[in-house]
Amino acid sequence: EPEVTQTPSHQVTQMGQEVILRCVPISNHLYFYWYRQILGQKVEFLVSFYNNEISEKSEIFDDQFSVERPDGSNFTLKIRSTKLEDSAMYFCAGRMGVNTEAFFGQGTRLTVV
Amino acid sequence: EDQVTQSPEALRLQEGESSSLNCSYTVSGLRGLFWYRQDPGKGPEFLFTLYSAGEEKEKERLKATLTKKESFLHITAPKPEDSATYLCAVQAYRRALTFGSGTRLQVQP
Repeated sequence: EPEVTQTPSHQVTQMGQEVILRCVPISNHLYFYWYRQILGQKVEFLVSFYNNEISEKSEIFDDQFSVERPDGSNFTLKIRSTKLEDSAMYFCAGRMGVNTEAFFGQGTRLTVV
Repeated sequence: EDQVTQSPEALRLQEGESSSLNCSYTVSGLRGLFWYRQDPGKGPEFLFTLYSAGEEKEKERLKATLTKKESFLHITAPKPEDSATYLCAVQAYRRALTFGSGTRLQVQP
């Protein structure tokens, strides 16, 4: 069964450093998302991406965040200058249609020290 | 603003003891309500989509129902392997999912 693949599974970085989180979505998905989940809290929406551009973003997704789909398969989330409060699980998700079910990856645990 | 409230926050059941989880929502133009299961340290795993009031979906020991204001996830004769956090999420037109805080279910043998 196809699945969403995220790498790395765990990343530790120093405050102020740049990180890139990577995702390989399911091949026939057209809509892509990044969510995050701070430990013990709810899953929060960051950004959605369709047709090679951002279609929606939350207030969390400020100028330090960016997304790319550089080669038609990978989907990346870049955090330019990490802060302690960026420590969380980051989930990539994809869906075939705008209102269909979304399938999530297993997440990248980002720890900022 | 879309809102999702799940109750209870935590639920402990004995194996075989049926119960229901609640998801109350406020959304402008519901396009879908989704139930997910999340195991510790893992991503949400899709369970059900409900699109309109009165709709019901079943899978093994789980049954999801939807009204205009809330959804229920009924668990019949649960087993220890059903222990997980169950997440409810709503979808407005062309928007991303808005999640509730989840219900942590523990099923004891």
